[in-house]
Amino acid sequence: DTEVTQTPKHLVMGMTNKKSLKCEQHMGHRAMYWYKQKAKKPPELMFVYSYEKLSINESVPSRFSPECPNSSLLNLHLHALQPEDSALYLCASSQGAATGPKNIQYFGAGTRLSVL
Amino acid sequence: KQEVTQIPAALSVPEGENLVLNCSFTDSAIYNLQWFRQDPGKGLTSLLLIQSSQREQTSGRLNASLDKSSGRSTLYIAASQPGDSATYLCAVDNFNKFYFGSGTKLNVKP
Repeated sequence: DTEVTQTPKHLVMGMTNKKSLKCEQHMGHRAMYWYKQKAKKPPELMFVYSYEKLSINESVPSRFSPECPNSSLLNLHLHALQPEDSALYLCASSQGAATGPKNIQYFGAGTRLSVL
Repeated sequence: KQEVTQIPAALSVPEGENLVLNCSFTDSAIYNLQWFRQDPGKGLTSLLLIQSSQREQTSGRLNASLDKSSGRSTLYIAASQPGDSATYLCAVDNFNKFYFGSGTKLNVKP
């Protein structure tokens, strides 16, 4: 099973709302990632969790707050977003940097977020 | 910062043709390079991973090569089919930080 599950598939929120995106994997992977992808652009790395600890934050605004409650789950909490934050948010997982060159990433189908 | 470039940005070919997609990167200190496929509005599907010590990987009709010293990789697709139509992205792993190219949008015409 190489599945990464993301919920919800679609989300519409106002600029004052608080919402959360969820990502789950059961492959025993110890690294999990959040990416943001705008239309016709490549995915851009936002956060990396390694062994449930935040290891990389690519200077993401504080209105995006990641959380890794356990090794299988990754959340992205959203608050006071702007319309320009509308994008496809992708979650990925991998065995982790300790595997070195064999560190294959597996992606979920994404959450399509629209901020009104 | 690592920069990844893919050429061409778009490609349209008749069914049955063999084709080559190109990926170049500026920092050769990478763990690996991974090729992905993305269908419109969907997530990414991993196609091939080439470790930094490898030169080539094959899976079915796909063959990927890596020349780390020159910062280049190619994805060769043999006997293309309409079902191969998608955007193909390469990504390099700079020690657990992944950088993607902008992709090549492939259209295979029946």
